[in-house]
Amino acid sequence: AQSVTQPDIHITVSEGASLELRCNYSYGATPYLFWYVQSPGQGLQLLLKYFSGDTLVQGIKGFEAEFKRSQSSFNLRKPSVHWSDAAEYFCAVGVPSSNTGKLIFGQGTTLQVKP
Amino acid sequence: ETGVTQTPRHLVMGMTNKKSLKCEQHLGHNAMYWYKQSAKKPLELMFVYSLEERVENNSVPSRFSPECPNSSHLFLHLHTLQPEDSALYLCASSGRTSGAYEQYFGPGTRLTVT
Repeated sequence: AQSVTQPDIHITVSEGASLELRCNYSYGATPYLFWYVQSPGQGLQLLLKYFSGDTLVQGIKGFEAEFKRSQSSFNLRKPSVHWSDAAEYFCAVGVPSSNTGKLIFGQGTTLQVKP
Repeated sequence: ETGVTQTPRHLVMGMTNKKSLKCEQHLGHNAMYWYKQSAKKPLELMFVYSLEERVENNSVPSRFSPECPNSSHLFLHLHTLQPEDSALYLCASSGRTSGAYEQYFGPGTRLTVT
């Protein structure tokens, strides 16, 4: 069965420090992978996606993610975190469903940024 | 209006009330989704509509009744809810082919059942 695991429920980093959020997926075919961010009381905003091609993808707000097929991972990175990055981050894999698609989400990682 | 909008943003209702949540997408997409997001739980996919036809219903209780009159609008009709139904309800939409997996979300409706 398809699944997404985000091993870290909560991460705290200092402002200006680098960040890596982990994501592992289980899916038999070539995956469509996504990272979303959710600020408190808001909906989910798409940060970046991987469909095919270059395994290092760039997203909005200075985020990037690297797809590693051998490790079934799609980790999110940012070189220097800003206080406004404090939010919840969700990794997801897209799977076929009837004549459309659906997303399988991980449980999310809450990022806290220390001043 | 752009993107995906949801109304109301906040809703408080008693267990005997009937209310509806509305979602509208302005992206020209052909699929729409309802999710439930409770505290400390993963996102739960409730319903999927593709070309106005319900294609997925993930064992959602009948007190939740979706309606998709056209590809731009999605409703969630609520009646005789329980306190455990209090949650953030998110609507999303997606497009065709490879874009079918790329979902765009609305801001959500925060529902409190008293």
